Amino acid sequence: GDSVTQMEGPVTLSEEAFLTINCTYTATGYPSLFWYVQYPGEGLQLLLKATKADDKGSNKGFEATYRKETTSFHLEKGSVQVSDSAVYFCALGPPMNRDDKIIFGKGTRLHILP
Amino acid sequence: DTEVTQTPKHLVMGMTNKKSLKCEQHMGHRAMYWYKQKAKKPPELMFVYSYEKLSINESVPSRFSPECPNSSLLNLHLHALQPEDSALYLCASSQGDRYQETQYFGPGTRLLVL
Repeated sequence: GDSVTQMEGPVTLSEEAFLTINCTYTATGYPSLFWYVQYPGEGLQLLLKATKADDKGSNKGFEATYRKETTSFHLEKGSVQVSDSAVYFCALGPPMNRDDKIIFGKGTRLHILP
Repeated sequence: DTEVTQTPKHLVMGMTNKKSLKCEQHMGHRAMYWYKQKAKKPPELMFVYSYEKLSINESVPSRFSPECPNSSLLNLHLHALQPEDSALYLCASSQGDRYQETQYFGPGTRLLVL
């Protein structure tokens, strides 16, 4: 079945460091891919998305590119801030010809030190 | 406006109580979702309403009873809950009834069952 695998956390970085959180997926067809962020004590917020191969989603300095050849959707940011400390979920939405639920990765907790 | 609101923010209830969670969106979305999220875990889908009709029940115990009074509102009625039901309950909505569409989440209701 379809699945999402993201790197285990927690990830701890210093402020202004470069961030990569790896996400790979297994799916049949052409799924949509999402990154959601959950700040402490809050609900999930959509961070970015991509709906087809080679699409790049970007928001708030974060970027991720839908790579069909490597089945990956890695999240990157050039210079992280303390305020980026949160849990990041990679998620896979089913392809257009299938009604099925979104599949979430297990989440990666990110700590940014000042 | 991509806001989903949820009330209350926090709820403490005994195992014999009856309470309700409320979710509201004014984005014209026609699909609404209830998720349950335990600490350090991704959200788990509970129910999906599509065009005000229940379309998915993920084998949720009957002590949870969803209701969709109109296209903007989604309720979750709680009765005779167990301590293991303590969790963050998230509501989400999406434009149509295709699950690959972007889901927008509310801030959640943090429930504690004593």
